Amino acid sequence: EPEVTQTPSHQVTQMGQEVILRCVPISNHLYFYWYRQILGQKVEFLVSFYNNEISEKSEIFDDQFSVERPDGSNFTLKIRSTKLEDSAMYFCASTLSGGYRGNTGELFFGEGSRLTVL
Amino acid sequence: KQEVTQIPAALSVPEGENLVLNCSFTDSAIYNLQWFRQDPGKGLTSLLLIQSSQREQTSGRLNASLDKSSGRSTLYIAASQPGDSATYLCAERTGFQKLVFGTGTRLLVSP
Repeated sequence: EPEVTQTPSHQVTQMGQEVILRCVPISNHLYFYWYRQILGQKVEFLVSFYNNEISEKSEIFDDQFSVERPDGSNFTLKIRSTKLEDSAMYFCASTLSGGYRGNTGELFFGEGSRLTVL
Repeated sequence: KQEVTQIPAALSVPEGENLVLNCSFTDSAIYNLQWFRQDPGKGLTSLLLIQSSQREQTSGRLNASLDKSSGRSTLYIAASQPGDSATYLCAERTGFQKLVFGTGTRLLVSP
């Protein structure tokens, strides 16, 4: 069964360092998302991406964050200069469509990348 | 502001019990509602999705219902098992974009 894959599963970095989290969405999906979950808290929306551009972003997604789809398969989240409060589990998700033409619009999530900032 | 709340926050039951998890949402322009399971330190596993035009969905021992007028969804788990122990999350989608997640219900089923 197709699945969303994320790498690395765990990354430890020093404050101020750049981090890139990678995701391979399901191959025929068109909408891509990043979410994060700080330990013990809700899963929070960061950004959605469609047709090679950001379609929506949250207040959390400031200038320190960027997303890219560098080729036909990968979807990346970059944090330019990490802070202690960026420590969280980051989830990538994808969906085929917004639910038109009978598609349910179900989002499929990866296993997550745990980021620890020291 | 769109909000999703789940009650109870935690639930502990003996094996074999039937149980109900509750989810409330504030945005009535719901597109669909998705229930997820999350094991500690792990990813999100989709359990059920209910479209706004549907009243319920079933998968095995799980049944999810949706009442748009009251802004509520319930997840019913029949004959609970220790392997059902996890955190259950509901998430509302109001457009073709993001899901908004609830606070989660942490379930413990004891043998």
